[in-house]
Amino acid sequence: QLQLQESGPGLVKPSETLSLTCTVSGGSISSVSYFWAWIRQPPGKGLEWIGTIYYSGSSYYNSSLEGRVTISADTSKNQFSLKLSSVTAADTAVYYCARQEIGGRDNWFDPWGQGTLVTVSS
Amino acid sequence: SSELTQDPAVSVALGQTVRITCQGDSLRNYYASWYQQNPGQAPVLVIYGKNNRPSGIPDRFSGSSSGNTASLTITGAQAEDEADYYCNSRDSSGNHWLFGGGTKLTVL
Repeated sequence: QLQLQESGPGLVKPSETLSLTCTVSGGSISSVSYFWAWIRQPPGKGLEWIGTIYYSGSSYYNSSLEGRVTISADTSKNQFSLKLSSVTAADTAVYYCARQEIGGRDNWFDPWGQGTLVTVSS
Repeated sequence: SSELTQDPAVSVALGQTVRITCQGDSLRNYYASWYQQNPGQAPVLVIYGKNNRPSGIPDRFSGSSSGNTASLTITGAQAEDEADYYCNSRDSSGNHWLFGGGTKLTVL
């Protein structure tokens, strides 16, 4: 059974870079069938797609975050990572990683990690 | 447009049928997927594609689409269905993805 687990600091100072890693177990991020995504949810608010990566390195980012966000994959560790630079309090959120399936008219995220709360504060 | 619009809140009597909708231009070209989120928990996929349920999702959950509107229908709502529901789809560019603002479902 595929499982994803987010890890990283729970507290980041304003203007610094948020760094999170998603470790995948029970399956390979090198699978040609899947993409891998980061999604966040500010406290009390809705879900926001951050970005998506394919194991080959192709990546797609939310336009509202482009310029600050980088997603990378490490196939040797079966992990993918998120870096978000110049963070502000508005970046405080629960950050989720998820497997993404994309095909034709279809797209879905399943499964999801349990999520990790990142607070931006001095 | 690059938005998916959901009603913020919907209520249903126990055992009755409820439809949660999601509107957006991209839904004319792409299917929506639907997620259930309980407080403090990660979202769970309940419907994907034309009308597919992942293993373990009760068959009272179904999906449909017409024009720019996708719908999640719960036939015979149960108390445990009370949760937030989010739709998701590609945007019209095809290389970005969107979530609706979410619908809080109350089972009365």
